[in-house]
Amino acid sequence: EAGVAQSPRYKIIEKRQSVAFWCNPISGHATLYWYQQILGQGPKLLIQFQNNGVVDDSQLPKDRFSAERLKGVDSTLKIQPAKLEDSAVYLCASSLVEGAEGYTFGSGTRLTVV
Amino acid sequence: GEDVEQSLFLSVREGDSSVINCTYTDSSSTYLYWYKQEPGAGLQLLTYIFSNMDMKQDQRLTVLLNKKDKHLSLRIADTQTGDSAIYFCAEPLGGFKTIFGAGTRLFVKA
Repeated sequence: EAGVAQSPRYKIIEKRQSVAFWCNPISGHATLYWYQQILGQGPKLLIQFQNNGVVDDSQLPKDRFSAERLKGVDSTLKIQPAKLEDSAVYLCASSLVEGAEGYTFGSGTRLTVV
Repeated sequence: GEDVEQSLFLSVREGDSSVINCTYTDSSSTYLYWYKQEPGAGLQLLTYIFSNMDMKQDQRLTVLLNKKDKHLSLRIADTQTGDSAIYFCAEPLGGFKTIFGAGTRLFVKA
């Protein structure tokens, strides 16, 4: 089966600019997650969707980050405006059921804010 | 707290066994996971263990679970240079929100 697809692979932007990331999960996976992984740290959950509804966005900095999964399939994560501390790898993951058999991760988008 | 704790580095010689340790927080977690991350890649699920098990063996991998001490370990037998990666311990808090440790960087010397 095809894996979790993410694009772009790399993005360099200036601070205060906006950026968007795209994720297409594994077909049939109802649950989709966006994680932020800062260099040298483990992934931190930003938002979790179940189909097209938000399950948990408690760690999402809502003043600048937004995410949607309108049709319950692919998802976009946006940052506007970006700050230097947003430099990280943004990982998308999906699963059939919440946590039961682990997640399948995409390769991530490496964002550098200069 | 919500922290999953791991030691940051481990260095072993090729052919030796590697043991990566983790302390988790939620005693009600049904599953506990080990993920592997190679450079420039996303995380890959390596193995998982049900909380009602003490041990799980999968080829060169052995997972040990001590629920009393909330301690999880991953043993890699006959470690190869291809095992060099970052290994993450993870637990689903409250049954769904999975949190990850900071990762243990395994260096395998030829």
